[in-house]
Amino acid sequence: GAGVSQSPSNKVTEKGKDVELRCDPISGHTALYWYRQSLGQGLEFLIYFQGNSAPDKSGLPSDRFSAERTGGSVSTLTIQRTQQEDSAVYLCASSLDAPGDTQYFGPGTRLTVL
Amino acid sequence: SQQGEEDPQALSIQEGENATMNCSYKTSINNLQWYRQNSGRGLVHLILIRSNEREKHSGRLRVTLDTSKKSSSLLITASRAADTASYFCATVVRGSQGNLIFGKGTKLSVKP
Repeated sequence: GAGVSQSPSNKVTEKGKDVELRCDPISGHTALYWYRQSLGQGLEFLIYFQGNSAPDKSGLPSDRFSAERTGGSVSTLTIQRTQQEDSAVYLCASSLDAPGDTQYFGPGTRLTVL
Repeated sequence: SQQGEEDPQALSIQEGENATMNCSYKTSINNLQWYRQNSGRGLVHLILIRSNEREKHSGRLRVTLDTSKKSSSLLITASRAADTASYFCATVVRGSQGNLIFGKGTKLSVKP
């Protein structure tokens, strides 16, 4: 594909529900990153994938957050039992290979928890 | 936690003027990158400068890096109304897995 795509673009959910956010990286990019952006916290790193494994999950804010990547391509970020403080824009980025390569960002998913 | 701090937080200039944004960071880095964001959505990569580089140019953009002061600056020359956006610096910490640590950003407004 031409760039990183994310779906849905907007998601409104009720507190306590689970949500799944999807990221399709640029074809051939082995590294994939999830970030979130909120008014109070700015842009924060969540998790990094190299291929299908996640060597760095240090940014996940709680055990309600999990992510997986299959086939070295699509990634899904799951938030269980959503809370209002989870409201944010969730951004996915991919890069070609090595740590520190230029990262290309998707348009993000705006999550609103009521 | 955030590594970078941009200065100023907001900048308003007239078209044709130059815009300078500064970024400071705390730890040793592999590289520093500048991104632009319109309307709070996707980030667009502008330029990457490695820790052993001091200056880089790309079109109307000029980036400098001073590792002794742990600071960087982004200069946009001959600004246009279309440059209105938020600009973020982001660092890749040396020895990390490559994740970006972002500053809080500078909101640039270019008035026609």
